[in-house]
Amino acid sequence: EDQVTQSPEALRLQEGESSSLNCSYTVSGLRGLFWYRQDPGKGPEFLFTLYSAGEEKEKERLKATLTKKESFLHITAPKPEDSATYLCAVQPYGQNFVFGPGTRLSVLP
Amino acid sequence: DAGVTQSPTHLIKTRGQHVTLRCSPISGHKSVSWYQQVLGQGPQFIFQYYEKEERGRGNFPDRFSARQFPNYSSELNVNALLLGDSALYLCASILGWTVEETQYFGPGTRLLVL
Repeated sequence: EDQVTQSPEALRLQEGESSSLNCSYTVSGLRGLFWYRQDPGKGPEFLFTLYSAGEEKEKERLKATLTKKESFLHITAPKPEDSATYLCAVQPYGQNFVFGPGTRLSVLP
Repeated sequence: DAGVTQSPTHLIKTRGQHVTLRCSPISGHKSVSWYQQVLGQGPQFIFQYYEKEERGRGNFPDRFSARQFPNYSSELNVNALLLGDSALYLCASILGWTVEETQYFGPGTRLLVL
């Protein structure tokens, strides 16, 4: 069965304190891994798609990396506006998305 | 360009009632997916439609049904509502079946069942 886990469940950082979020997955065959950001009461906002091990993508203070078993979302010098829930999802070949439970990030000024 | 739109934004129903949620995808996108997100959890896949045909169904009871119209908009219907159906219902828009799989989400419909 395809599964996605995310850690930590919640993370509190001081402004400027860099850290990483983890997404571990078990799938029969990975077509793509996706990162989304979700603000309370709103729909997820697309951040990145990663397709193969070793791939990296960056956007502002965020950098996503992918290995054969997990993905990391690195946040460099975060700001309070980066506070949100970060969701990881995998798309197995021929199947639909499977989302992880998310990591709730709080960045304190 | 308009993003994914969903209506209504909020809805309150009582147990046993029926509800219809609506979604309009991004212009040019031909596929939509529906998700249920319970508070504190990640979205759970319900349905995917492409060119008006069902292309995937998640592990949800038959009380849940959906359809896609010729203009690619979609409806999600839930019959005989239960308290546990209270959730944020998300619609995702997808360009096509194989060309591009990134899903772009709408703002969601918050359903409360009393």
